[in-house]
Amino acid sequence: SQELEQSPQSLIVQEGKNLTINCTSSKTLYGLYWYKQKYGEGLIFLMMLQKGGEEKSHEKITAKLDEKKQQSSLHITASQPSHAGIYLCGADMHNYGQNFVFGPGTRLSVLP
Amino acid sequence: DVKVTQSSRYLVKRTGEKVFLECVQDMDHENMFWYRQDPGLGLRLIYFSYDVKMKEKGDIPEGYSVSREKKERFSLILESASTNQTSMYLCASSLITATNQPQHFGDGTRLSIL
Repeated sequence: SQELEQSPQSLIVQEGKNLTINCTSSKTLYGLYWYKQKYGEGLIFLMMLQKGGEEKSHEKITAKLDEKKQQSSLHITASQPSHAGIYLCGADMHNYGQNFVFGPGTRLSVLP
Repeated sequence: DVKVTQSSRYLVKRTGEKVFLECVQDMDHENMFWYRQDPGLGLRLIYFSYDVKMKEKGDIPEGYSVSREKKERFSLILESASTNQTSMYLCASSLITATNQPQHFGDGTRLSIL
């Protein structure tokens, strides 16, 4: 079974709508990372969260890590077609970055 | 900005060939990783290296080997390519510090084995 689960698996929204993607683990995470991938390309690093309760924002994207460090959400406000792609969460299951796992990804489509 | 460069975006090889995928990073990162990405299976770790000449098996090392002769370069080798190795291959690197650090990825190599 996946160590990181993501929901939903896919999402289609109308341009301008808000949306949330979730990433969940049954274990405590030492670092939680969000990436975006366009089809056929590499992963682009978006944000890193480390502390329980931490929240970060960049432009219209906000990521949060819960207090127990087992669940993270990625929220996009007023979505645009440029937000379309696959969003993956990744996490360090231990310190020192050598036990890194990825979620299965959430495919986001934004309709103009 | 971190730059991770993979030598080819697209590659077509024949069954039985020895295939080399090259990856170079310019940020003096200690850790380097090779993943393959397949629909429905997500990202799977093949090998990683935390130092020159050091390597560790990931989740799916069978049929692959790696080489890290210099800190900035990490090569993935398919000893005898097979059709089930057709996939998207992604290289990544990260820094070792007292706190966790993100992995930075190259653009990927889409490899087709005929």
